[in-house]
Amino acid sequence: AQKVTQAQTEISVVEKEDVTLDCVYETRDTTYYLFWYKQPPSGELVFLIRRNSFDEQNEISGRYSWNFQKSTSSFNFTITASQVVDSAVYFCALSEAEAYGQNFVFGPGTRLSVLP
Amino acid sequence: DAGITQSPRHKVTETGTPVTLRCHQTENHRYMYWYRQDPGHGLRLIHYSYGVKDTDKGEVSDGYSVSRSKTEDFLLTLESATSSQTSVYFCAISVTDTNEQFFGPGTRLTVL
Repeated sequence: AQKVTQAQTEISVVEKEDVTLDCVYETRDTTYYLFWYKQPPSGELVFLIRRNSFDEQNEISGRYSWNFQKSTSSFNFTITASQVVDSAVYFCALSEAEAYGQNFVFGPGTRLSVLP
Repeated sequence: DAGITQSPRHKVTETGTPVTLRCHQTENHRYMYWYRQDPGHGLRLIHYSYGVKDTDKGEVSDGYSVSRSKTEDFLLTLESATSSQTSVYFCAISVTDTNEQFFGPGTRLTVL
């Protein structure tokens, strides 16, 4: 069975601090996708990134970076120089490659508060 | 913007009444999903559809039914709403080639 764990329920940082959100996953499949979504206070779910299991290169997009390590089954998300607008709930998710969504499993989310 | 709308956006109803939520997409995606979001649980899959009239159950399907008579519409029905179905409901589509899912704006349902 697939499972996604986000051990940090809530994190609070002061603006300009760096923060890392942890994601640990479990799957028996060799081909799978990992995702991060952002849910700001307004409630919508915003897609941030997709990673497939064969691509372990780290990804950087502006202040956001992702570290994928198959050896530890982790897909961590780092925000550099955090801003108040980064305050949101962040979800990590896992999907089998051929499942087309029926096994799209979300973690419980991490609530990030960035204080001015 | 994946062209997904949900209606209604907010609804308050009473226990025992039937409720139907609608998800509409404009981009002809084959796969559509209904999730519920509750504190501490993230998003949990209720039902999904892989084509017109083709649907299947997800993790938390008890008490819910779905229908898809057209590609663009995916309906979620609570035959007899209960207070435990108070939640935020999200519809989603997935892009076939990448498995990326994109979500509608959500419907906040309160069952009194």
